[in-house]
Amino acid sequence: GQQVQQSPASLVLQEGENAELQCNFSTSLNSMQWFYQRPEGSLVSLFYNPSGTKQSGRLTSTTVIKERRSSLHISSSQITDSGTYLCAMERIYQLIWGSGTKLIIKP
Amino acid sequence: GGIITQTPKFLIGQEGQKLTLKCQQNFNHDTMYWYRQDSGKGLRLIYYSITENDLQKGDLSEGYDASREKKSSFSLTVTSAQKNEMAVFLCASSRDRVNYAEQFFGPGTRLTVL
Repeated sequence: GQQVQQSPASLVLQEGENAELQCNFSTSLNSMQWFYQRPEGSLVSLFYNPSGTKQSGRLTSTTVIKERRSSLHISSSQITDSGTYLCAMERIYQLIWGSGTKLIIKP
Repeated sequence: GGIITQTPKFLIGQEGQKLTLKCQQNFNHDTMYWYRQDSGKGLRLIYYSITENDLQKGDLSEGYDASREKKSSFSLTVTSAQKNEMAVFLCASSRDRVNYAEQFFGPGTRLTVL
């Protein structure tokens, strides 16, 4: 089965609403990473988050290694937040990827 | 800081053709990776390399060759392009430290096979 489960697969919100994205891992992990993929395909690293909570502007990532889960919270969403958010768990020299959450923010 | 460049940005090939994609990084990272992404799906690892002249197969290595001629460059060859194949190929790099392996990505090469 799939080792990294992301939910929801897609999410449509009004501008200003908050978004909550989840990743669950079926096996133990060393650490994990959150990425934003722009509509044209380029990937931007958002968080490298072995454990605990990290915040960058309106984005907050919380990873609980023991429970094999991580979340990404986007507060006061903006239209420019639209795109695909991917999580990946780290094995030695490899990232195992989720299928992504497609986020659409409407005006 | 640093940057990863991939060439070409768009690649159009014919069925059966051998196609080469190139990647350069100036982070001075030891480890480099090639991933394939199909539309609406996550990334799948094709090859990675932990140092110059090293090659390690990922889950999707069949149908591909790779070459790490020097630390800063990593190329990928599609040995025989498949008709109607469309995918994005992403190159990445990371430090050679097991406890800190954050990966940084290039902009991608979009492949279309006619």
